[in-house]
Amino acid sequence: EPEVTQTPSHQVTQMGQEVILRCVPISNHLYFYWYRQILGQKVEFLVSFYNNEISEKSEIFDDQFSVERPDGSNFTLKIRSTKLEDSAMYFCASSPTGDTQYFGPGTRLTVL
Amino acid sequence: AQSVTQLGSHVSVSEGALVLLRCNYSSSVPPYLFWYVQYPNQGLQLLLKYTSAATLVKGINGFEAEFKKSETSFHLTKPSAHMSDAAEYFCAVSENQGGKLIFGQGTELSVKP
Repeated sequence: EPEVTQTPSHQVTQMGQEVILRCVPISNHLYFYWYRQILGQKVEFLVSFYNNEISEKSEIFDDQFSVERPDGSNFTLKIRSTKLEDSAMYFCASSPTGDTQYFGPGTRLTVL
Repeated sequence: AQSVTQLGSHVSVSEGALVLLRCNYSSSVPPYLFWYVQYPNQGLQLLLKYTSAATLVKGINGFEAEFKKSETSFHLTKPSAHMSDAAEYFCAVSENQGGKLIFGQGTELSVKP
């Protein structure tokens, strides 16, 4: 059964550094999402992407964040200058028609 | 604005006992409702979803949930708990197709032998 995959599984970075989190959505899915879960807190929506553009973003998704679908298969989340509070589990999700979202295993980001 | 409230951050049941995880939502439009399960160190796996068809929804692993509009609830049940059901369970709502999911704070289910 097709799955959403994410790399790396764990990323450790220094504060102020740029990180790129990578996701390969399920083939033929059209809707893409990023969420994050800070330890002990709710899963929070960051951004949704459809038809090669951002369709919605949350207040968390400020100018430090960007998303790309560079080659038709990967879907990336970039954080330009990481802060301590960016430490979280980041989940990518994809959906074929927008009704059901399928999540990847997550990337644990640790900012030191 | 959408919101989801899960009553009880931690529920403990004995193996073989009924599982009941509570979820209440608020939404200005007929919602899409979901339950996801997260096993330790894994991602979110869809258990079941409600998208305005039958109000009683059956999911994987013997779980089901009933949409009650009058109570704005979508509680998750399983008649007989199994040790392998121990995990964190998240209720989520979306107001439109393709839209973001708003999650509850999660309920950790423990199953005692």
